[in-house]
Amino acid sequence: AQKVTQAQTEISVVEKEDVTLDCVYETRDTTYYLFWYKQPPSGELVFLIRRNSFDEQNEISGRYSWNFQKSTSSFNFTITASQVVDSAVYFCALSEEVGNQFYFGTGTSLTVIP
Amino acid sequence: DSGVTQTPKHLITATGQRVTLRCSPRSGDLSVYWYQQSLDQGLQFLIQYYNGEERAKGNILERFSAQQFPDLHSELNLSSLELGDSALYFCASSVGTQGGGETQYFGPGTRLLVL
Repeated sequence: AQKVTQAQTEISVVEKEDVTLDCVYETRDTTYYLFWYKQPPSGELVFLIRRNSFDEQNEISGRYSWNFQKSTSSFNFTITASQVVDSAVYFCALSEEVGNQFYFGTGTSLTVIP
Repeated sequence: DSGVTQTPKHLITATGQRVTLRCSPRSGDLSVYWYQQSLDQGLQFLIQYYNGEERAKGNILERFSAQQFPDLHSELNLSSLELGDSALYFCASSVGTQGGGETQYFGPGTRLLVL
């Protein structure tokens, strides 16, 4: 079974619109870690955020914000006032209590139209 | 720039051949991870090394092997290559000393094309 589900395969928005990327995870561990990475067209994977399971505080970093809800096993990512440079594939990942391997979702391809 | 380097950037080879991908972790990082990204399988964890020792194994084929050297760089060896091995291979590194859930920093990847 998929440990991380990103149901949105592709999203297109017009510049300056807000967009939310969904991530649902599955684990039996009480301690776990969630991550978001960005993969721009150039191909590298860029780290955006790390969250542990005991910290449900939402986080805002500039135009980016993250909503972690254990009750729904979700860790959603919102970009406000989207820009063309936000166009990329975004991956959500889970790391469990033991070991450091990442379980990645299938990614959401975001296109921001000028 | 994550500080993780990978060489080569691109590799084109033929079926049945063997290739070696190289990775240098960020300065100070002891753990190295290898991932394969393909259109049909997505991003899959292959293997992890910590300070020269194999730490965890994922969906790594028997035709593939890896090692981490005393200077902490790592190599991923792919042999008897098949068309389906064409993919983007990422190396990542983390400090290795904090237990679970360490942030992994990814290199730019090696794009392998098997013809």
